Amino acid sequence: GIQVEQSPPDLILQEGANSTLRCNFSDSVNNLQWFHQNPWGQLINLFYIPSGTKQNGRLSATTVATERYSLLYISSSQTTDSGVYFCAVEGSGAGSYQLTFGKGTKLSVIP
Amino acid sequence: DTEVTQTPKHLVMGMTNKKSLKCEQHMGHRAMYWYKQKAKKPPELMFVYSYEKLSINESVPSRFSPECPNSSLLNLHLHALQPEDSALYLCASSQVVRGGRDGYTFGSGTRLTVV
Repeated sequence: GIQVEQSPPDLILQEGANSTLRCNFSDSVNNLQWFHQNPWGQLINLFYIPSGTKQNGRLSATTVATERYSLLYISSSQTTDSGVYFCAVEGSGAGSYQLTFGKGTKLSVIP
Repeated sequence: DTEVTQTPKHLVMGMTNKKSLKCEQHMGHRAMYWYKQKAKKPPELMFVYSYEKLSINESVPSRFSPECPNSSLLNLHLHALQPEDSALYLCASSQVVRGGRDGYTFGSGTRLTVV
């Protein structure tokens, strides 16, 4: 099946700093999503981005499907950005019926 | 309505109990999913329903029994669970299997503890 690697695994930021999270995947994809899981476990969809660039406030994401990677940018980080960020992909091959998650990046934003 | 609602939020059950988890969505999605997430791990797929029919069972033990009564509801019936089944259970939906136009929407989960 498709492999998803996220980096870095852990990230500690001072409030107000910027960061870039990376997701590499091993095969072509139909779907790529970035999720934020808050400390209460809720998995919040940030971006549906199988290709191209999107922005939503302080967050933006870029997926370069031909090179099999995606980047999530967080600018002017806030303590509420803390949590785990997951990249999840759905392969485009026959028999791919599920989202495959990376292991996540745990982000801690300190005041 | 762009939400997936899961109840209860927390559940503690004994190993001989029978309980059910409930998931509801009103987005007109025709694919619904159960995922299991252990602490510090990513979610793992358990079941996929497509048009109210079970299409994928990822070799889940029979003590977990899914049910899709209609296109908006998904249940997970639990019986004779083990302590190692304690986890966060997440429900998700999408327009169709393989995500569709907007991808997957997840509920806030049920945190299950088996004692």
